[in-house]
Amino acid sequence: DGGITQSPKYLFRKEGQNVTLSCEQNLNHDAMYWYRQDPGQGLRLIYYSQIVNDFQKGDIAEGYSVSREKKESFPLTVTSAQKNPTAFYLCASSRSGQGAFTDTQYFGPGTRLTVL
Amino acid sequence: GDSVTQMEGPVTLSEEAFLTINCTYTATGYPSLFWYVQYPGEGLQLLLKATKADDKGSNKGFEATYRKETTSFHLEKGSVQVSDSAVYFCALGGGRTGGFKTIFGAGTRLFVKA
Repeated sequence: DGGITQSPKYLFRKEGQNVTLSCEQNLNHDAMYWYRQDPGQGLRLIYYSQIVNDFQKGDIAEGYSVSREKKESFPLTVTSAQKNPTAFYLCASSRSGQGAFTDTQYFGPGTRLTVL
Repeated sequence: GDSVTQMEGPVTLSEEAFLTINCTYTATGYPSLFWYVQYPGEGLQLLLKATKADDKGSNKGFEATYRKETTSFHLEKGSVQVSDSAVYFCALGGGRTGGFKTIFGAGTRLFVKA
């Protein structure tokens, strides 16, 4: 079955530690995204990538970093510089890099990160 | 910039009741409009979409019409089921002043009682 996988489902981190969230897709999609979801709020875009080896900052990129070395993978690192990292993180992909934001986005199941 | 405003929840309905969740938007250009649904503990999944004015998106008994004159994309269903309980997000994608990015509303939680 095609889809997006995120791991782990739950992640706990101590303050001051970096942590990397995994996102893999086998849909052969060009574009991939990372969103942050906080309780009672809509999704906020962290980073996106329309093509391999290229990515752009979203609205809340500070304290986060990404890489896109392979088409199917788009890992997100939450660094110690992120002041309030506890949240639900969603990865998504869409078919076309050119029409990225007008295409349907397909979401993974999410990773819930808690900073202790 | 571009924005999406949807009605606050939670919305509580009895099974077989009529559902409306209001969504209005602000955008320039020719954005696409979406409704996504999120079940507890899961990611979002597309419910329906419309790509131009007067288009009607429909899926699983849900419908929404892209109204440019009222800048609205209200979600409706004639008879809800308990299994429709979820959070519903209205979204706009490809609006020029939003940097062409997808803008999500805050979400509306729906509870359906048996």
